[in-house]
Amino acid sequence: DGGITQSPKYLFRKEGQNVTLSCEQNLNHDAMYWYRQDPGQGLRLIYYSQIVNDFQKGDIAEGYSVSREKKESFPLTVTSAQKNPTAFYLCASTTAGGLYNEQFFGPGTRLTVL
Amino acid sequence: KQEVTQIPAALSVPEGENLVLNCSFTDSAIYNLQWFRQDPGKGLTSLLLIQSSQREQTSGRLNASLDKSSGRSTLYIAASQPGDSATYLCAVAGANSKLTFGKGITLSVRP
Repeated sequence: DGGITQSPKYLFRKEGQNVTLSCEQNLNHDAMYWYRQDPGQGLRLIYYSQIVNDFQKGDIAEGYSVSREKKESFPLTVTSAQKNPTAFYLCASTTAGGLYNEQFFGPGTRLTVL
Repeated sequence: KQEVTQIPAALSVPEGENLVLNCSFTDSAIYNLQWFRQDPGKGLTSLLLIQSSQREQTSGRLNASLDKSSGRSTLYIAASQPGDSATYLCAVAGANSKLTFGKGITLSVRP
């Protein structure tokens, strides 16, 4: 089955810790994205990557970091600099370029700061 | 900066009713518009994608229309069922396939 997997489903972080959220896709998509979803605020873009070894900041990149060493993987690290990290994190992917760029989403990771 | 608005934030209808969900956006320079469904605690499921050159798309009981010049899209759900209860989000694609999302409409279909 082709799709996007995210792990873990639930993640708990202590104050001052860095944590890494995993996102893997086997759709052979070029572009991958990380979004954050908070109640009543919709989805906001954190980082995106159009190609391996390249990525760009989205609207709320402060306190987050990413890497794109492989086409199928786009992990997100939530650093201790992120002051309010409790949220639902969603990863997405799409074919880069062209007009038909439907985005497909993973099941999400819910991060809670203890 | 693109802004996407979905009003109302919540909607409750009896089963069997035909309904329309609205989405408006401020910048008409879009590549496409996508409608998603989200169940509580889950990821997003793509329902329909309309390219900027298209006027509508249909899938089963769902029909989405796009009027780019006026910055509006509608999602029509025919003969609603309790299983349609979910949050429906619209998103518009700009450069680099970046999506701008509305805050969603939470739909409840009463048996």
